[in-house]
Amino acid sequence: GAVVSQHPSRVICKSGTSVKIECRSLDFQATTMFWYRQFPKQSLMLMATSNEGSKATYEQGVEKDKFLINHASLTLSTLTVTSAHPEDSSFYICSASVLAGVSYEQYFGPGTRLTVT
Amino acid sequence: QKEVEQNSGPLSVPEGAIASLNCTYSDRGSQSFFWYRQYSGKSPELIMFIYSNGDKEDGRFTAQLNKASQYVSLLIRDSQPSDSATYLCAVNRGRVGKLSFGAGTTVTVRA
Repeated sequence: GAVVSQHPSRVICKSGTSVKIECRSLDFQATTMFWYRQFPKQSLMLMATSNEGSKATYEQGVEKDKFLINHASLTLSTLTVTSAHPEDSSFYICSASVLAGVSYEQYFGPGTRLTVT
Repeated sequence: QKEVEQNSGPLSVPEGAIASLNCTYSDRGSQSFFWYRQYSGKSPELIMFIYSNGDKEDGRFTAQLNKASQYVSLLIRDSQPSDSATYLCAVNRGRVGKLSFGAGTTVTVRA
C-alpha cells in the first residue's frame, strides 16, 4: 500500500503557542489529504479535507482560523494548531487518498500525539 | 441515524475461533467499503476493501457486502491474539475518497 508519513510523531507545547504538523505522501502524489482528530477511546473525527492548490474544506464545528491547513504540493499538507490550549491535546492523524482502479483508497499516516500544557 | 453503524463491542473470542464484525450504512448510493484495523495508540491500517456484492477473501479475512441490505461484514478466521484491536468500518462518501467511519468494534482474542 501507499506510504504516508507524519512529523512530528509526538509534540508537547505550552498553552498559547502554535504547532505545525506535516503530512507527506512518500511514494505517490496526493491531490487530496484528510486531517482527523481522535480522543482516547473514541473514533476518528474528520476535521478537514486538504486540497492541493486550493482552500481546505472544513467539517462543521471545526474552526478554520484555529486549525490552519496548507496543501502546498502534491506530496505535502500541513496542519497548524494556532494558540493551542489543553483541550486541543489529542491524536492528530492525516491520510492521503489514492485512486486505485474504480475507487479511492485512503492510507493513514502514523499520527501525531499533541499535548498542550 | 448515523451514516455508518457497527455492532457494539467489545467482542471477545477464543484463539482459533471466528470473529464476526458487522456494519450497516445509510447512504444507498455508497460504492466502496473499507475495513481498517487500529491498534491502541496507533493509526488505522487498511486491511480490506470491497466494491461488489458478495464475498472477498484475503488470507484469514473475508469481507462480505450486501448493497440491497446496506450491510457489510468482516470475518476473521483462526483468530490470533495479534488480531486484538479495534476494527473500523468505513464507507466512501464522495469522489475524492472521503470516508465516513463507524465508531469501531474492539476485538479481544483470548489465548
